[in-house]
Amino acid sequence: DIQMTQSPSSLSASVGDRVTITCRASQSISTYLNWYQQEPGKAPRLLIYAASSLQSGVPSRFSGSGSGTDFALTISTLQPEDFATYYCQQSYTTPWTFGQGTKVEIK
Amino acid sequence: EVQLVQSGAEVKKPGDSLKISCKASGYTFTNSWIGWVRQMPGKGLEWMGIIYPRDSDTRYSPSFQGQVSISADKSISTAYLQWSSLKASDTATYYCARQVMQHFDFWSQGTLVTVSS
Repeated sequence: DIQMTQSPSSLSASVGDRVTITCRASQSISTYLNWYQQEPGKAPRLLIYAASSLQSGVPSRFSGSGSGTDFALTISTLQPEDFATYYCQQSYTTPWTFGQGTKVEIK
Repeated sequence: EVQLVQSGAEVKKPGDSLKISCKASGYTFTNSWIGWVRQMPGKGLEWMGIIYPRDSDTRYSPSFQGQVSISADKSISTAYLQWSSLKASDTATYYCARQVMQHFDFWSQGTLVTVSS
């Protein structure tokens, strides 16, 4: 299985901050990389697919980048509703695998 | 509007069997894969497998192969996740999600399965 490693596992930030979460794959996955947001007690929500494509309805402050093995999710200006856990996922080959998650907390 | 609605929470005993459901609406059920994802309490997301309802082609993660069964009934636009003998370690929330291209674009609300003696 392809291993996905996110960093950091958690971070504290303030409203208005720029936040970047990174995700590394154990082998090249081209741009088969998706990002999901999960608020406590809720289902995950797709933010970014194919490494950098913004899902319909997702605010433009979210952006994704990368290819091969190294990827990043950036929130340009953190909003109160962005405090959640973020997961990367590779869809290059089955079984699709997720990163362990990055919890974004209020500083 | 795309909707995926799962069956309600379950409390079972070890050794019990269980089948949970995921009913789709708002799109053509047979045109998209449906996936199942496990989330154990306080933990991350795990991809269990996917099914293509048109022909029931199914793919499992090796971690879940033989432990669960995924099926679909296209006549009622419903996918299923089934266990023949539950274990305490199956306690988790299970999500179904629609796959479009190579990502899950719509997720259901989840079904909490609690297995306890």
